[in-house]
Amino acid sequence: QVQLQESGPGLVKPSETLSLTCTVSGGSISGHYWSWIRQSPGKGLEWIGYIHYSGNTNYNPSLKSRVTISLDTSKNQFSLKLSSVTAADTALYYCARGQWFGAPWGQGTLVTVSS
Amino acid sequence: DIQMTQSPSSLSASVGDRVTITCRASQSISTYLNWYQQKPGKAPNLLIFTASSLQSGVPSRFSGSGSGTDFTLTISSLQPEDFAAYYCQQTYSAPPTFGQGTKVEIK
Repeated sequence: QVQLQESGPGLVKPSETLSLTCTVSGGSISGHYWSWIRQSPGKGLEWIGYIHYSGNTNYNPSLKSRVTISLDTSKNQFSLKLSSVTAADTALYYCARGQWFGAPWGQGTLVTVSS
Repeated sequence: DIQMTQSPSSLSASVGDRVTITCRASQSISTYLNWYQQKPGKAPNLLIFTASSLQSGVPSRFSGSGSGTDFTLTISSLQPEDFAAYYCQQTYSAPPTFGQGTKVEIK
């Protein structure tokens, strides 16, 4: 069965770029949509965006100017970059298979924005 | 963005109880409504999609109904493993948005 695992730094300084990678195992990244979602006590669950295996992307307008999602089919991975982060970007970040709703999700990785 | 409002925000129930959680959308979303269960320290897990379709592997005691703006998630007989938070999500229009969650606790 497909499993997803997020990885990346747990601490990012304000104004820098948050970078996370999701590794897909047990299945191919091809033929599917892949998403990033985050969860924080203040904002709850927030959809960040998706990428199709063809490379087509769609981002939440509230984050669009700062977000880039890309994929590496050779490594069966996709990635999230969020630039100019502030404390408001502190959250648990999840990757998931799916375009608008996710199944399955990764276990999540906590990213804290602090100097 | 479409606002999703769940009620109640929390509830206490006993094993065997029938539990109903409500989700209301700020505008009509047809049946583009999904439900997730989230246990402490775990990622959300999809239970129901398009308002009433049970995701593979999800027990039949979970059911969903509704269309337009009003939706319900029902657990017919609450089991110990069902104590968790539940979230609705609309996928009618981008960006998809979630409710604030309902925490089901042990009475």
